[in-house]
Amino acid sequence: GDSVTQMEGPVTLSEEAFLTINCTYTATGYPSLFWYVQYPGEGLQLLLKATKADDKGSNKGFEATYRKETTSFHLEKGSVQVSDSAVYFCALSDPNRDDKIIFGKGTRLHILP
Amino acid sequence: DARVTQTPRHKVTEMGQEVTMRCQPILGHNTVFWYRQTMMQGLELLAYFRNRAPLDDSGMPKDRFSAEMPDATLATLKIQPSEPRDSAVYFCASASTGTYNEQFFGPGTRLTVL
Repeated sequence: GDSVTQMEGPVTLSEEAFLTINCTYTATGYPSLFWYVQYPGEGLQLLLKATKADDKGSNKGFEATYRKETTSFHLEKGSVQVSDSAVYFCALSDPNRDDKIIFGKGTRLHILP
Repeated sequence: DARVTQTPRHKVTEMGQEVTMRCQPILGHNTVFWYRQTMMQGLELLAYFRNRAPLDDSGMPKDRFSAEMPDATLATLKIQPSEPRDSAVYFCASASTGTYNEQFFGPGTRLTVL
């Protein structure tokens, strides 16, 4: 079945460092890909999405490109802030099949001032 | 600013008691999901509804959990009787078909069963 694999955390970086969180997926169809973020004490919220190959999703300085050839959707940010400390979930969904989203296990990010 | 609401935000109860969690999806969203999040298991899908009809509850322990949508503005998740292993954060999310299945999450109910 469909699945998402993302790098295990925690990831600890200093403020202004470059961030990459790796995510790869397995899917039989043509899924949409997402990154969700969960700040402490809150629910998940959509950070960015890409709905077809070569699309780039971006939001709040974060970017991810839908790479069909490598089945990847890596999350990047050029200069992280302390406020980016959170748990990041990579996810996929195939709306042609059903309504569900398949989430990765999450990567906890700590940014040190 | 449309958002999913959940009540209560926190619940502490004793083993054996009934617990009811409520969710109000975003107006116009026709799909509602219930998730459970724990440190050990991560995020688990318990059940979901489309147009108020249950489509999949395979993730839910049937003997003690039940989920319903009495109307389009209310979803409930009930645990009876509750057990300490049910302690977790329970999230509701809603979505609208035709939007690439993007889900909007509520703030969660943190349940502690003593």
